[in-house]
Amino acid sequence: NAGVTQTPKFQVLKTGQSMTLQCAQDMNHEYMSWYRQDPGMGLRLIHYSVGAGITDQGEVPNGYNVSRSTTEDFPLRLLSAAPSQTSVYFCASSSVHSGNTIYFGEGSWLTVV
Amino acid sequence: SQELEQSPQSLIVQEGKNLTINCTSSKTLYGLYWYKQKYGEGLIFLMMLQKGGEEKSHEKITAKLDEKKQQSSLHITASQPSHAGIYLCGAKGASGGYQKVTFGTGTKLQVIP
Repeated sequence: NAGVTQTPKFQVLKTGQSMTLQCAQDMNHEYMSWYRQDPGMGLRLIHYSVGAGITDQGEVPNGYNVSRSTTEDFPLRLLSAAPSQTSVYFCASSSVHSGNTIYFGEGSWLTVV
Repeated sequence: SQELEQSPQSLIVQEGKNLTINCTSSKTLYGLYWYKQKYGEGLIFLMMLQKGGEEKSHEKITAKLDEKKQQSSLHITASQPSHAGIYLCGAKGASGGYQKVTFGTGTKLQVIP
């Protein structure tokens, strides 16, 4: 049971570098989301998608891009990393056909120096 | 935007004691999730409540949704060290589907043997 798979688990970036956090789910879920978790801030929604080809901004989208070319994959791109983007990132998926339970990946720890 | 306030922010209890965590929303609740997170790990789904007055239980954990008070409570009976972690509530707002969920800042629970 793979569920939601995120890679990499840990990454250190230099300010200004770009990178992509990968997210894949094998449950045929139509909904996918990216959250970031910072101390004392809970989970904040970055971007979300309701299906292949459809994405929208969440609460904190600046500095991030997403695309959804397939149902399975939902990569998160950091265009020019900043220290403020140091965080733990979680990818999530859900479906009305699965009772709307949100399944989370194990997280990606990103440090920007 | 919807805001969720969790109380208490942290809790230390003796093993065997009961405890309650509250989640209060600034707006009407249309669906409420409870998740548990262990440090450095992903989020584990506990329960989802969708109707006012709804109550669900899983093992020693019970969650209730009070729609009028815009509040949900999570009650743990006879706590065990395995209950330790961070408990997060998440809510679906009036607009958007279950891919747009707002989360609280979490309650950190420690259980002392």
